[in-house]
Amino acid sequence: AQTVTQSQPEMSVQEAETVTLSCTYDTSENNYYLFWYKQPPSRQMILVIRQEAYKQQNATENRFSVNFQKAAKSFSLKISDSQLGDTAMYFCAFMLSIYNQGGKLIFGQGTELSVKP
Amino acid sequence: NAGVTQTPKFQVLKTGQSMTLQCAQDMNHEYMSWYRQDPGMGLRLIHYSVGAGITDQGEVPNGYNVSRSTTEDFPLRLLSAAPSQTSVYFCASAYGDTEAFFGQGTRLTVV
Repeated sequence: AQTVTQSQPEMSVQEAETVTLSCTYDTSENNYYLFWYKQPPSRQMILVIRQEAYKQQNATENRFSVNFQKAAKSFSLKISDSQLGDTAMYFCAFMLSIYNQGGKLIFGQGTELSVKP
Repeated sequence: NAGVTQTPKFQVLKTGQSMTLQCAQDMNHEYMSWYRQDPGMGLRLIHYSVGAGITDQGEVPNGYNVSRSTTEDFPLRLLSAAPSQTSVYFCASAYGDTEAFFGQGTRLTVV
């Protein structure tokens, strides 16, 4: 069975600073995807970034980047130049890349990020 | 293009009542799923469907039923509501190995 762990329930960062959210996972499979989802107070789940396990290059999306360490089973999210709109709950999620597992996500517990002015 | 639409957004039930949470997607996605979100536990999978007529249990299926008669719709039925089912419920859809698209969630309170 796969598990995802986020060990930081809450974090805060000053506006314009950089913050890193941690995520570790456990799996015996070799082919999978990892995601970071953002959930602002509106409750909407928004995809921030996605990483394919077979790719060695870390994914980036504007101010968001990941540090994917496959051997260590670690998948951290770095937010650069933090903005007030980044205040949200962030979830790390895992999905197997095998037949009929599309959209079947395993989530971590979440990290509540507060960006302070 | 509405994406994934969940109704209702809020609901209060009395213990023992039954109800159906509706979920519809207009993206012709093959995969649909239901999750519940509880504080400190992230989102947990309740039921899952890989296509019309095919459903499977997730991590926390007890007390919930699903069916999928069409590609578009995936309703979640609470058979006899219990206070332990107080939660926020999310429906999601996906195509292949792409990202999952989520509805706006339903906040359910069982008193």
